[in-house]
Amino acid sequence: NAGVTQTPKFQVLKTGQSMTLQCAQDMNHEYMSWYRQDPGMGLRLIHYSVGAGITDQGEVPNGYNVSRSTTEDFPLRLLSAAPSQTSVYFCASSLLTGAASGANVLTFGAGSRLTVL
Amino acid sequence: GESVGLHLPTLSVQEGDNSIINCAYSNSASDYFIWYKQESGKGPQFIIDIRSNMDKRQGQRVTVLLNKTVKHLSLQIAATQPGDSAVYFCAENLVYGGSQGNLIFGKGTKLSVKP
Repeated sequence: NAGVTQTPKFQVLKTGQSMTLQCAQDMNHEYMSWYRQDPGMGLRLIHYSVGAGITDQGEVPNGYNVSRSTTEDFPLRLLSAAPSQTSVYFCASSLLTGAASGANVLTFGAGSRLTVL
Repeated sequence: GESVGLHLPTLSVQEGDNSIINCAYSNSASDYFIWYKQESGKGPQFIIDIRSNMDKRQGQRVTVLLNKTVKHLSLQIAATQPGDSAVYFCAENLVYGGSQGNLIFGKGTKLSVKP
C-alpha cells in the first residue's frame, strides 16, 4: 500500500513549456485534489475530483487542467508554464463520506517541486 | 497564529513545555476542522480533527479546542518534543450545497522546539 504517489519530485521548465504532474493512489479513494503551496500562502486548492469522469475547479484553477479517467490517477497539466507557477504541488486523496458527516481527511503525497524559468 | 503575507508566524518553545498554536477560520458554515503537521520536505500529515458540534477533542499529547462564537481553533501540544518541530496548518471543511466540500487551509505556523 503506497498511499499517494507523485512524480516527478523535482522539475525545471522554461516559460511556455508544457508538462504533466502525475498523481496515483492505491487506496480506492473517490476524492482527489491538487494543491499548490507557496511561501506564506499555505495550501491553495487548484482542482478536485469526486470520482472518475468528474472534475471541478478550486480556488486557483487558471493555467491548469485536470482529468480523471480512472479512480487511481489524477494528473495535473500545465499547458504553458509561467514563472508564477513556480511552487510545490501536492496531490491528496480521501474517501467520500457524504455531506452528513462532512469528513474529508486527506492523505497527501510527498510533493512535486516545480521551477519555471 | 495565522497571518497574511510572506513570513510564516513562528512559535518557539522549550523542550518539555506545552505549545499552543492558534488559528482563525473564515466561514461560520464550516462543519469540520483538521490540524495537519508538515515536516520539511514532506507532505502534510493528519494530527487531529474536530466536528463543529464539539468544542474539545483530545488525542495523544494533543488537544484541539474549537470556539465557534469567535471562529477560533487552537492546537495544544503537551510536553513538546524536538520531533514536534514542523509547520502546523489548520484546515476547515467547507460544504457547498450538499456536497462533501473541500478543505481550505490556513497559512501555517512554524513550531520550533529548543532542546
